[in-house]
Amino acid sequence: QPLLQESGPGLVKPSETLSLTCAVSGASINNSNNYWVWIRQPPGRGLEWIGSIYYRGNTYYNPSLKSRLTISIDTSKSQFSLRLTSVIAADTAVYFCARDETHLHGPYAYWGQGALVTVSS
Amino acid sequence: QSALTQPASVSGSPGQSITISCTGTSSDVGAYDYVCWYQQHPGKAPKAIIYAVTTKASGISNRFSASKSGNTASLTISGLQAEDEADYYCSSYTGPGLMLFGGGTKVTVL
Repeated sequence: QPLLQESGPGLVKPSETLSLTCAVSGASINNSNNYWVWIRQPPGRGLEWIGSIYYRGNTYYNPSLKSRLTISIDTSKSQFSLRLTSVIAADTAVYFCARDETHLHGPYAYWGQGALVTVSS
Repeated sequence: QSALTQPASVSGSPGQSITISCTGTSSDVGAYDYVCWYQQHPGKAPKAIIYAVTTKASGISNRFSASKSGNTASLTISGLQAEDEADYYCSSYTGPGLMLFGGGTKVTVL
């Protein structure tokens, strides 16, 4: 059973860069059947899809975040990462990583426990 | 992209059935049979309960069922139980490669 674990700073200053990593264990990140996904949830609010990546590096990004967003993958370390630049208070959220059980269509059957990132000076 | 539209809250008594709607457009829910439903308890990660509009995820009770008509998908919980009290989110593929979530529905068991 896949296990996903987010890690990264819990506090980021406005205008700086938010960086998170999702470590994958119990499953191969090179699995051709899956995409790997980032989702976030502002406190007390709903889910927002951030973007996804394939083991070959193919990416898809939420259009509203695309100009600030980079998702990358390191198959040698079995992890994928999120980088969001020029953050503002509205980027404060719990960030989840997940595995897409199909090619881009969902469901997201396996999730990390989530990492709270607060944007504040 | 605006979130798919869900009612903010739905409630029911134990044993009753409730239905949660998820309304999108002809570019997302209406265009693809790739609607999923997730259940999220407080402080927990979401859990997939339905995918491909009507297919139950592994281990999900038969009390959960789903459907789609036009631009609106629906999740029905039959025989409502206390453990069903949670937030529920729909999602839809919007192509190409993009996914959109609903705003979420809080289910209260009275």
